[in-house]
Amino acid sequence: EVQLVQSGAEVKKPGESLKISCKGSGYSFTSHWIGWVRQMPGKGLEWMGIIYPGDSDTRYSPSFQGQVTISADKSITTAYLQWSSLKASDTAIYYCARRVVLTGYPHFDYWGQGTLVTVSS
Amino acid sequence: DIQMTQSPSSLSASVGDRVTITCRASQSIGSYVNWYQQKPGKAPKLLIYAASTLQSGVPSRFSGSGYGTDFSLTLSSLQPEDFATYYCQQSYIIPRTFGQGTKVEIK
Repeated sequence: EVQLVQSGAEVKKPGESLKISCKGSGYSFTSHWIGWVRQMPGKGLEWMGIIYPGDSDTRYSPSFQGQVTISADKSITTAYLQWSSLKASDTAIYYCARRVVLTGYPHFDYWGQGTLVTVSS
Repeated sequence: DIQMTQSPSSLSASVGDRVTITCRASQSIGSYVNWYQQKPGKAPKLLIYAASTLQSGVPSRFSGSGYGTDFSLTLSSLQPEDFATYYCQQSYIIPRTFGQGTKVEIK
């Protein structure tokens, strides 16, 4: 069974650093891109970026480039999303999701349960 | 970035109603559209990819259509478990942007 299990909720202060995780299991972790999606309180979904754990090739949305870092450790089948200096506006739920391509069309077929990040002084 | 504009932003409907949600892309994207359902407090769930292909396990009352810039998601007979927010997403180019969402509420 494919599973993406994310790390638990975090409460941080502005300026602090943070790294959240997404552990994949039940499939070949190095063969599928993993994406990250932000959902701010009461708002819609925002595509942040994506990583291919096989070689750590990473693509970012221009809106998030330089604001976050996406990485992966294939030895422990885990992808990461990290911030070096959090802002209150980073408060959101962050989802990881597995990207597949069927008949040439990419889509997210499995999602993690989400990680709530709260940034408040 | 490609903008995906959904309409309506919300709608009220009754069980058994036929409901259609539309999504317009800011440029032509072929059939590169996915549809997701999200219930409160839950992760999104894939319903349809490639504009009209039903994801395995998704009930056949869900259907998708469209090509180019105009797409739609139709629920042929709304069920109680279908009350949720629905998002379209383009998978044509990075960043793979989402629509703003359509909330389907009980009338």
